[in-house]
Amino acid sequence: GENVEQHPSTLSVQEGDSAVIKCTYSDSASNYFPWYKQELGKRPQLIIDIRSNVGEKKDQRIAVTLNKTAKHFSLHITETQPEDSAVYFCAASILGTYKYIFGTGTRLKVLA
Amino acid sequence: DSGVTQTPKHLITATGQRVTLRCSPRSGDLSVYWYQQSLDQGLQFLIQYYNGEERAKGNILERFSAQQFPDLHSELNLSSLELGDSALYFCASSVEGLREQFFGPGTRLTVL
Repeated sequence: GENVEQHPSTLSVQEGDSAVIKCTYSDSASNYFPWYKQELGKRPQLIIDIRSNVGEKKDQRIAVTLNKTAKHFSLHITETQPEDSAVYFCAASILGTYKYIFGTGTRLKVLA
Repeated sequence: DSGVTQTPKHLITATGQRVTLRCSPRSGDLSVYWYQQSLDQGLQFLIQYYNGEERAKGNILERFSAQQFPDLHSELNLSSLELGDSALYFCASSVEGLREQFFGPGTRLTVL
């Protein structure tokens, strides 16, 4: 069935270092891959997304890469700051539907 | 503020009871999605409605049901509640043709 695996489940980095979170999806028909950030006690919010016709997308300190052949995509955060501490969720959207399949989340801690 | 509203914010009830969670999407959004987030868990897709009609179904229990009304607000009904139904329930909405989902603040359900 449809599945999205996300690793690692927790990640601690020093302030200023980079963080990388990886996701693998199962359905090759997936064509949209958003990343959501959820701060403690708050709602998930979209931070970046990528469509299947693009290999990489960047927005300031965050970037997402997509490898369709391998069916995996990654979130890269550079120059991490304490306010980047949150849970990050990847998702894959199945072609022809607007249903998201979310990964299990990565708890990122940026240590000052 | 995403523009998606959910009521109530908190709900405490007993096992065996029935509750109704309400969601109002952003103005103009025709799609509404419901998600369940258990403690330290990911986002489990429950169901999607588009302009009043059910469009996609996820891992929604038979004890749960939902509907979207002509004014586009949606309700999620949870019956015969069990302790394991305690979770944060999010509603999200989106515009047809665009993939980004905007999440509401969530309803925290506690079943005692």
